[in-house]
Amino acid sequence: QSVLTQPPSASGTPGQRVTISCSGSSSNIGSNTVSWYQQLPTTAPKLLIYSDNQRPSGVPDRFSGSKSGTSASLAISGLQSEDEADYYCATWEDSLKGVVFGGGTKLTVL
Amino acid sequence: QVQLHESGPGLMKPSETLSLTCAVSGYSISIGYYWGWIRQPPGKGLEWIASIYHSGNTYYNPSLRSRVTMSVDTSKNQFSLELSSVTAADTAMYYCARHDSVYYSDRSGRDDAFDIWGQGTTVTVSS
Repeated sequence: QSVLTQPPSASGTPGQRVTISCSGSSSNIGSNTVSWYQQLPTTAPKLLIYSDNQRPSGVPDRFSGSKSGTSASLAISGLQSEDEADYYCATWEDSLKGVVFGGGTKLTVL
Repeated sequence: QVQLHESGPGLMKPSETLSLTCAVSGYSISIGYYWGWIRQPPGKGLEWIASIYHSGNTYYNPSLRSRVTMSVDTSKNQFSLELSSVTAADTAMYYCARHDSVYYSDRSGRDDAFDIWGQGTTVTVSS
């Protein structure tokens, strides 16, 4: 059972906008920033969003992050077939003094 | 261009000690950043194991703390992980990553992200 809760699956059609949620508590998301990772099949995870809403160089602006209170969201606009992947949120957990990941969300492009 | 490359034994027997090394190129680990290990059991999600600074300051996942030791070798520009008394539950893909970790005292919060990852190394524990 992950400290951060993500829906196990999400889906959308090409061109659509989809959002993936990440729910936590005051000791993790409520106090610290959130990062998001994309894991394409059989590849290593890739940083997609850091500091709640910042994109690393090279990440398309179709990807955006937001946070409110103890929940965070990843939004993907203009959905493309190559966006089909697993997505993970992560943050620091104060009580554990360590990083925690969400359980992951499998995004399917219909 | 910063690159990380993991190396490990591949196949192990239960009760043995797993040793993994992550070689870093394109950046001197003695300059800064934490450096971490994350694992992913087959078909499952990501689990952070531990992170270390070049000074030796280390954070460990409490659930693995009793079995994990991290170390850093700045002369070889690499860092390592040891996991003792492995069982089948430790079977996973193990990734090393650069861990950008900052504590902001003004708002008492942390900013953490794994910004560069290795390609991963598979570890299978089987008798």
